[in-house]
Amino acid sequence: GIQVEQSPPDLILQEGANSTLRCNFSDSVNNLQWFHQNPWGQLINLFYIPSGTKQNGRLSATTVATERYSLLYISSSQTTDSGVYFCAVVEGKLIFGTGTRLQVFP
Amino acid sequence: GAVVSQHPSWVICKSGTSVKIECRSLDFQATTMFWYRQFPKQSLMLMATSNEGSKATYEQGVEKDKFLINHASLTLSTLTVTSAHPEDSSFYICSARVLAGVNIQYFGAGTRLSVL
Repeated sequence: GIQVEQSPPDLILQEGANSTLRCNFSDSVNNLQWFHQNPWGQLINLFYIPSGTKQNGRLSATTVATERYSLLYISSSQTTDSGVYFCAVVEGKLIFGTGTRLQVFP
Repeated sequence: GAVVSQHPSWVICKSGTSVKIECRSLDFQATTMFWYRQFPKQSLMLMATSNEGSKATYEQGVEKDKFLINHASLTLSTLTVTSAHPEDSSFYICSARVLAGVNIQYFGAGTRLSVL
């Protein structure tokens, strides 16, 4: 099956810093989603991005399907950005990546 | 829009009892719902796919007699953990896929199960 790896596994930032999270997948996929799981466990849809670039406020994502990776950019990070970020490839069902745990300190 | 409600959010039960978790799509119809399990500091693991009006499809290694899934309507799926034991303690999350349109899943807030 498809393997989905994320890096880095852990990230610690000071408020205001920028960061880039990476998602690599082992085979061609139809689609990809990014999620934020907040400290209470709720998963929030961030992007549905099969290819190209999308932006939503301080967050943006880029997927290069031909090279099998996607990037999530967080600019001017805030403490509320803390949590775990997952990418998931869509192959009928969602196959989740390993996650990046982000902690933002004031 | 696309709100998924999951109840209860937290449940503590004695070993041997059964626990039912509900997943509802509040503002859309969902022919397909999914149930995931998440261990501490790990990723989500798909347990089963639930289709309205038919039997659930379980992932390899998931005991269907232990985790009973019912999807009786387009807005409700339930997961029953039967004869729960401490090793069933985990975070259970449901999601629902919009009936029409792109393949996007929306997630409930999760249920933390602790079996004593």
